[in-house]
This record gives sequence, C-alpha cells and structure tokens, in this order.
Amino acid sequence: QKEVEQNSGPLSVPEGAIASLNCTYSDRGSQSFFWYRQYSGKSPELIMFIYSNGDKEDGRFTAQLNKASQYVSLLIRDSQPSDSATYLCAVRVAGGFKTIFGAGTRLFVKA
Amino acid sequence: KAGVTQTPRYLIKTRGQQVTLSCSPISGHRSVSWYQQTPGQGLQFLFEYFSETQRNKGNFPGRFSGRQFSNSRSEMNVSTLELGDSALYLCASSSAGTTNEKLFFGSGTQLSVL
Repeated sequence: QKEVEQNSGPLSVPEGAIASLNCTYSDRGSQSFFWYRQYSGKSPELIMFIYSNGDKEDGRFTAQLNKASQYVSLLIRDSQPSDSATYLCAVRVAGGFKTIFGAGTRLFVKA
Repeated sequence: KAGVTQTPRYLIKTRGQQVTLSCSPISGHRSVSWYQQTPGQGLQFLFEYFSETQRNKGNFPGRFSGRQFSNSRSEMNVSTLELGDSALYLCASSSAGTTNEKLFFGSGTQLSVL
C-alpha cells in the first residue's frame, strides 16, 4: 500500500464547475497535510495546508481533513482554465522528518 | 527574498559517471529536502537535512548521498549513474523542518543519463 494515494486522473471539469480532488494516507501518525499545485514544466507550489479535522477555506480553495478516515480532499470552486495542473497531496508524519507526496491528480478545466 | 536556487538546471551524463547537484535554500531556512521526480513514480523522497544533520533518508540505494553545510546549502551526489537515474531532482527548503512547515521548491535539476 502506498503511503499517500491519489487518483491519477485526468479529471476534466468545465469552466465554472467545482473540481474535487481526493487523497488517502496510510500512517495514522500523520500530522500535517498539504496540497501543492504543479504546472507542466514547473516546480510544485503550496496552495493549501490543513492540520485539524474539518474544512479550511482560502479563496476558491477548500481543504477538508478527516483523520479518522485518513482522508484529505481539495475543492476548487469556480474552476478556471488556469487551474489546469497536477495537484499533489502531501503528508508529514510527526517526528518522521519527511514529507511524502502522492503521485498527483491531473486536472483539466475546459473553457 | 530570493527563492530556492538549484544548480545546474540541466545535466547530461553517461552511465557510470557521478554527479553533484547543489541547492541553496531560502535565506534563514535551515532545513533542506531532496526529491526525485519521474513521470511514472511521482515525487520520491530522498533525504531531509537540518543543521548539517541528515534526519531521514528515503528508500534509495547507497549511490545516492547528500550533505548540508553550515550555511544550510546542500548538495546531493549520485555515484555510478544508471539509466534509471534520469529524472528531475527537486530541492525544497523550510524554516526548521518541523511538523507543520511548508516546503518551498527550487526549479530543479533535470538529469539525463545516456
């Protein structure tokens, strides 16, 4: 079992729709959860982080965490073509001194 | 504030050679992590350093090594290169590498092994 699993996609949504990206992790000791966006040919950049169960909103982005289910999600509202990228879920284990990434979900937003 | 700087940007080597990649973290950041990214495997964790100490190492052969200097700059070395080592090598820095800290990535070094 991979430590962080994501559906590789591609996920295709029309402009203006909500894109829903999901991630599960295997280590129950995981403490911190991140979403990175990576455009083709570019480096990953952090877009959201969440540490506690529940929802966290930042602009058009909402991160959701359910530690009991070991599940993290990212919602992108009013999706734009510029949101087309690969979204990487990342998990950091307390005291483990490493951040583990999922393989990423490719998102396409059609104009 | 300058970002994470990786050099060189591109490298072409042949099998059996060795290579050294360099990473300068954001000023004030003391933790540096290295990742290998390939289309098939995604981002694979190589090592994490803090204050010149390797705190964790990923599941890579001993040919992959690294170090961190007192100014927080880091290098990674790959010896006896194999074709499968062709990848984008990304360095990321964070302030102190604690649990809640975010990673800031450099532009990466694209290594091609022929």
